[in-house]
Amino acid sequence: EAQVTQNPRYLITVTGKKLTVTCSQNMNHEYMSWYRQDPGLGLRQIYYSMNVEVTDKGDVPEGYKVSRKEKRNFPLILESPSPNQTSLYFCASSWRGTTSKVGNYEQYFGPGTRLTVT
Amino acid sequence: AQSVTQPDIHITVSEGASLELRCNYSYGATPYLFWYVQSPGQGLQLLLKYFSGDTLVQGIKGFEAEFKRSQSSFNLRKPSVHWSDAAEYFCAVALNNAGNMLTFGGGTRLMVKP
Repeated sequence: EAQVTQNPRYLITVTGKKLTVTCSQNMNHEYMSWYRQDPGLGLRQIYYSMNVEVTDKGDVPEGYKVSRKEKRNFPLILESPSPNQTSLYFCASSWRGTTSKVGNYEQYFGPGTRLTVT
Repeated sequence: AQSVTQPDIHITVSEGASLELRCNYSYGATPYLFWYVQSPGQGLQLLLKYFSGDTLVQGIKGFEAEFKRSQSSFNLRKPSVHWSDAAEYFCAVALNNAGNMLTFGGGTRLMVKP
């Protein structure tokens, strides 16, 4: 089954304790992204990756790091979490397309990770 | 920078009634437009998308949306709402040449009365 998986699904942690949220997709997609969802603000992009070893900042990158060492994985790292990073996080992936077929821009979302930082 | 506005934070409709969710975008060129639905406790699922061509697009679950360039709008419609449509709906825009970066609206939460 084609899917995007995230772990953990729920996490409660304390300020300053480093954490990593994993994301993995099995669709061989080139593009992957991380979003955070906050009430009334919709989803905001944190980081995105166009391919292995290619990452760039989204709209709200402060306090986050990412890496893309393998095509299927795109972990989100919070080196020193703070309470304002309490949020619902989504990973997404999509297909870039080929030289003969344009990618369809449809993003496949993971189930979300609810993070609480106290 | 592009932006997406969903003016209605909450909407309540009766089951069987028609539905229209509003979405306005701000972007210089013709954007790629999307509607996603998020059921409680779930991730996002794509309902429909507009790239070019026919301005009325059909999606899954009986939804449709109409792109109106003159109004910078991409409103979502459904002729008869079912109780299972209760969810949060997000409009999003992607830049033509920016890979798959999406800018989302704030969302509209739909409640359905029996």
